[in-house]
Order: sequence, then C-alpha cells, then structure tokens
Amino acid sequence: GDSVTQTEGLVTLTKGLPVMLNCTYQTTYSPFLFWYVQHLNEAPKLLLKSSTDNKRTEHQGFYATLHKSSSSFHLQKSSVQLSDSALYFCALSGTGSFNKLTFGAGTRLAVCP
Amino acid sequence: EAAVTQSPRNKVTVTGGNVTLSCRQTNSHNYMYWYRQDTGHGLRLIHYSYGAGNLQIGDVPDGYKATRTTQEDFFLLLELASPSQTSLYFCASSDPRSGNTLYFGEGSRLIVV
Repeated sequence: GDSVTQTEGLVTLTKGLPVMLNCTYQTTYSPFLFWYVQHLNEAPKLLLKSSTDNKRTEHQGFYATLHKSSSSFHLQKSSVQLSDSALYFCALSGTGSFNKLTFGAGTRLAVCP
Repeated sequence: EAAVTQSPRNKVTVTGGNVTLSCRQTNSHNYMYWYRQDTGHGLRLIHYSYGAGNLQIGDVPDGYKATRTTQEDFFLLLELASPSQTSLYFCASSDPRSGNTLYFGEGSRLIVV
C-alpha cells in the first residue's frame, strides 16, 4: 500500500534561518503530494500541493518540488518566522484513488526568537 | 470558506461504553472522512464516504463503524469503546471541484477510561 515517511519528529530553529522538512513516499501509481499545516489547537489545513514532476509549487513563502526519481516532496522556506511554529504533515494520494490521502507521522517545527 | 462542524468537541467515556461522534459539512462536498490523530502516527484514516449511504473502509477501521445519512452528515460510532481509542478525531470533507483539498473540522477529543 501507499506510505509516507517524514524522518524528523521535531525541528528546532532560530527565527530567520532556512528550513527543510523531509518527505518521501511509496506508491505504485502516479502520485499527488500535499503539505498540511496544523497550528496549536487548530485543525490541519492545506499549505500546498504538488504540480508536475520537477516543478516547484509555492505558497506563503513555503515551497516544494515533486521529484518522482527520488520519490520526494521536501518542504522548504528560506527564512522561518515565529508564526511558522506548527505541526507539518506530508500526505500522498496514489493507488488509484485520488480522494484517499495517506499522511506521514508529522514534523513539529519550533521557531525560537 | 468551507465549513465542517464536529460534535461533541470533548467526550469522556468508560471502557465498553457507546460513543457517537457527529460531523456536518456545509460545503456541498461529496467526500467525507474520519481520521484519528495520535502522536507519532500522524493522521490515520478510519472510514470515508463518497455520498449518502456509501461507506468505504480506511486504514484503521477495527472497532469503528460509520454511517453517512445525508450528503451533509457523517457519523462515527464506537460501540464498545476501549482505552486504545483515546484519541483526537477529525472529520474532513473534499470534492474534485475544489481540487480535492481536505477541509477539516475542529476535532473531537475522546478519552476512554
């Protein structure tokens, strides 16, 4: 079946530094990848979703590129802010069902002053 | 803005008890989902539905039943609650017309003692 791996459970950074949150996936079908963000005591919401292979997508200063050759969709930002502190989930829609998402375990990003 | 409403927001029950979690969406979306969120596991799909009367089994269905009575309403039933079902439950809706973005409710926290 489909699976998503996020290797970091917690990433702690100082404000203004760049960040990359890792996401790799497994599926036997053509993948659609998503990043969802969940702030404390809130519901998850979509941050951005993949486009075509090797094309970068951006939203609110975050960006990610789907690389089918390495089965990856890492999330990046050039300069994190305090308000970026949240839980970030990578999600995959593959295996013949565009409407069924498989989520990774999540990475908590903590940004310090 | 899409709207998904869950009730109750908090529930405590005893082992063996009966619990119903309710979800209503006013987005006119066809798809509705029930996820559970646990630290280290991310969001795991319990059941989902693509219309009234339809039910699809998710990835962690054991111990849960679900019913979609109308396009708007999706219920999750725990008929013999166990401590392992202590979790944060999220309902979500989506539709191809909105790019299959998941819109989540605010969550229902269930504690089984």
